[in-house]
Amino acid sequence: LAKTTQPVSMDSYEGQEVNITCSHNNIATNDYITWYQQFPSQGPRFIIQGYKTKVTNEVASLFIPADRKSSTLSLPRVSLSDTAVYYCLVARAGSQGNLIFGKGTKLSVKP
Amino acid sequence: DTAVSQTPKYLVTQMGNDKSIKCEQNLGHDTMYWYKQDSKKFLKIMFSYNNKELIINETVPNRFSPKSPDKAHLNLHINSLELGDSAVYFCASSQEPPYEQYFGPGTRLTVT
Repeated sequence: LAKTTQPVSMDSYEGQEVNITCSHNNIATNDYITWYQQFPSQGPRFIIQGYKTKVTNEVASLFIPADRKSSTLSLPRVSLSDTAVYYCLVARAGSQGNLIFGKGTKLSVKP
Repeated sequence: DTAVSQTPKYLVTQMGNDKSIKCEQNLGHDTMYWYKQDSKKFLKIMFSYNNKELIINETVPNRFSPKSPDKAHLNLHINSLELGDSAVYFCASSQEPPYEQYFGPGTRLTVT
């Protein structure tokens, strides 16, 4: 099972781009990388998922290098409302038992 | 309509009691999960279940048991509650992994 490692916390200012990196050295061929956002007193919410190279949606981009041993969540022009905990998850296709969340990165956005 | 709902939102009980937390999803997903989030915010999967199999995290005490009356529900039963069971419990659902999971609002369990 691919364990994940993320920074415990990060600080940023409004309007900046924030990049959060997750390490998953033991990722397997059929593992996918997913990022979730969690606000206090709420359940995690899906942000983005990818397998390789780059994925972009309306809220974030996900960069995955060729060796797939890490991934970087990029949040463009953060606002105060992006203050939350961000979790990196490695999930194996077709295998519901292989779901390991990282310990999360607490992002604090300041004015 | 709420996609994944849990009841109750708060549960305060004494050690040794037996309690249940209910979870319902209206997304038509095949797979449901229970997670435990402790005071340090670590999010740990406890169970995952679909109509084919139940997978149990080996670290979960057998005092915890999931019960699924139908595809849309996965309830969590806890026997002989202990102080260390105090945490927030999240239910989630998804299509077959690795598809995105939809989480419920959580149930904060406090054991006194």
